[in-house]
Amino acid sequence: QQQVKQSPQSLIVQKGGISIINCAYENTAFDYFPWYQQFPGKGPALLIAIRPDVSEKKEGRFTISFNKSAKQFSLHIMDSQPGDSATYFCAATDSWGKLQFGAGTQVVVTP
Amino acid sequence: GAVVSQHPSWVICKSGTSVKIECRSLDFQATTMFWYRQFPKQSLMLMATSNEGSKATYEQGVEKDKFLINHASLTLSTLTVTSAHPEDSSFYICSAGTSGGSSIYYDEQFFGPGTRLTVL
Repeated sequence: QQQVKQSPQSLIVQKGGISIINCAYENTAFDYFPWYQQFPGKGPALLIAIRPDVSEKKEGRFTISFNKSAKQFSLHIMDSQPGDSATYFCAATDSWGKLQFGAGTQVVVTP
Repeated sequence: GAVVSQHPSWVICKSGTSVKIECRSLDFQATTMFWYRQFPKQSLMLMATSNEGSKATYEQGVEKDKFLINHASLTLSTLTVTSAHPEDSSFYICSAGTSGGSSIYYDEQFFGPGTRLTVL
């Protein structure tokens, strides 16, 4: 079963809007939470990542919010652009370095 | 940044044949490489973890005799799909991890561009 639950499955946002994707996990052994962006026919690329000792991390238009007590984390894409249209995966890594991926969110940014 | 390549990028083969996919870390030494499989519109599913010079560790439900993995050097891992069948058609992606000391704990994985396998 999926150890990292991701929602929504898809979302449509207008150019300039905010895209928000949420993830939740149960395994408290997870200690590294990356987000990946994947375009059709390509491998996933690391977008931004956070450790559990930090509640928020921002890199450009991308922000991760992390709630350790709730075991939830989210990705915010500010000022969404058509080039951001892609599938986004949250993930979590255990102490063995294995990545557990969420189901993915297909984001479409309309002009 | 760390670059991982895969070859070929796509391959079409007949049912019953074997196909080899190469994964190379171009500018760093990867002590651990991971192989994933991705079906259309789905997430990545880990197939196996390989460490240089040792046998791969397969995830539950993955047939190790069908998906042969070799990690012969710190920059090359190969996945061979033996006696391929149409249900093996998928997008295969590798990733490579760098080592921090004696463990890959806290280290990132760098993904290759993927290989599209179609079995007729």
